[in-house]
Amino acid sequence: DGGITQSPKYLFRKEGQNVTLSCEQNLNHDAMYWYRQDPGQGLRLIYYSQIVNDFQKGDIAEGYSVSREKKESFPLTVTSAQKNPTAFYLCASGRALSYEQYFGPGTRLTVT
Amino acid sequence: GQQVMQIPQYQHVQEGEDFTTYCNSSTTLSNIQWYKQRPGGHPVFLIQLVKSGEVKKQKRLTFQFGEAKKNSSLHITATQTTDVGTYFCAGPMDSNYQLIWGAGTKLIIKP
Repeated sequence: DGGITQSPKYLFRKEGQNVTLSCEQNLNHDAMYWYRQDPGQGLRLIYYSQIVNDFQKGDIAEGYSVSREKKESFPLTVTSAQKNPTAFYLCASGRALSYEQYFGPGTRLTVT
Repeated sequence: GQQVMQIPQYQHVQEGEDFTTYCNSSTTLSNIQWYKQRPGGHPVFLIQLVKSGEVKKQKRLTFQFGEAKKNSSLHITATQTTDVGTYFCAGPMDSNYQLIWGAGTKLIIKP
């Protein structure tokens, strides 16, 4: 069954803790993306990666970090430096030289 | 910088009425895409338009790409409860494969 998986679906953390969100895809896509969505808002790009071992900052990268050691995996760490981390985090992937993006089910992070 | 504006933010309709959302880009786009996000769900790719003036249909959904490739619209005929959700347009940035997203139009069916 091909697709993108994100885990966990819901995540609760205390302020000051780093937390890592998982994103795995078995679609053999080269590109992967992380977005943040706040209630009633659109999608804002955090980081993206077009190829293994390479990634670029999106519009709101401050307070976040990523790695791309394997083609299938693109984990996102929300650090304690992120001032308002509570949000819905969406991971997406896409084929090389294509604009279509395929999304995982998302992780809802709540930090108190 | 490049911007993609989408209107309206919300549209309330009675079931069976039509729905339209509009997308306008500050620059000419090589293509435009439309996604649907159901409440509590994730965006799902609907369609990509590439050609100037292109019109594509998917059952009750009609997608148009403007002649100047700077605007697009999605029209739903005779809405059903299954159409509820937020519809996003997205266009590519000039220099890479990032997408610039519209803010979305939320379709709400009146009870």
